[in-house]
Amino acid sequence: SQKIEQNSEALNIQEGKTATLTCNYTNYSPAYLQWYRQDPGRGPVFLLLIRENEKEKRKERLKVTFDTTLKQSLFHITASQPADSATYLCALDETGANNLFFGTGTRLTVIP
Amino acid sequence: DADVTQTPRNRITKTGKRIMLECSQTKGHDRMYWYRQDPGLGLRLIYYSFDVKDINKGEISDGYSVSRQAQAKFSLSLESAIPNQTALYFCATSDHSRGDGYTFGSGTRLTVV
Repeated sequence: SQKIEQNSEALNIQEGKTATLTCNYTNYSPAYLQWYRQDPGRGPVFLLLIRENEKEKRKERLKVTFDTTLKQSLFHITASQPADSATYLCALDETGANNLFFGTGTRLTVIP
Repeated sequence: DADVTQTPRNRITKTGKRIMLECSQTKGHDRMYWYRQDPGLGLRLIYYSFDVKDINKGEISDGYSVSRQAQAKFSLSLESAIPNQTALYFCATSDHSRGDGYTFGSGTRLTVV
């Protein structure tokens, strides 16, 4: 069966450290993978997209890697801040499916 | 104004009632989507539309219907609401070029009692 698994439901880290979130998928062949941030009671907000032929993508303090052999994406937030506390969702596009499939998310808490 | 506006923000309805959730967008995008979010299950696609004349079922369309009234408007209806349709509902839009991130609305929290 198809699965998108994010490493843990919750992750706590100290302010200033790097947060690393994992997204693993099974039985998908994505053309690209996206990461979103979701705050309580709000809709997801798009952060980054990485294509199947890209290894790494950066945006300010964010970095995403994509390994199609391991079927895994890593999402890093460097120099984390309490304002980074939120749930982070990975989503992937199955080639030909014309829509996104979402993981259940990891709730990140950055402790001051 | 928000790029994607959903109304109502919260709704409590009784089992068996018909209810409509509305969505409008100012992004000028062709593609619109309806998702529901349940704890532990993530976001699941209900319906999607690539233009006004194109409507497609998602993975959980049973019990729902949609209408694309214009490029900017996409409404979701529950013909006869049941308690397991209690969830957070999101509308989203994206550009026609593949690989663009989705823009989501703030959601509608629906409770069916």
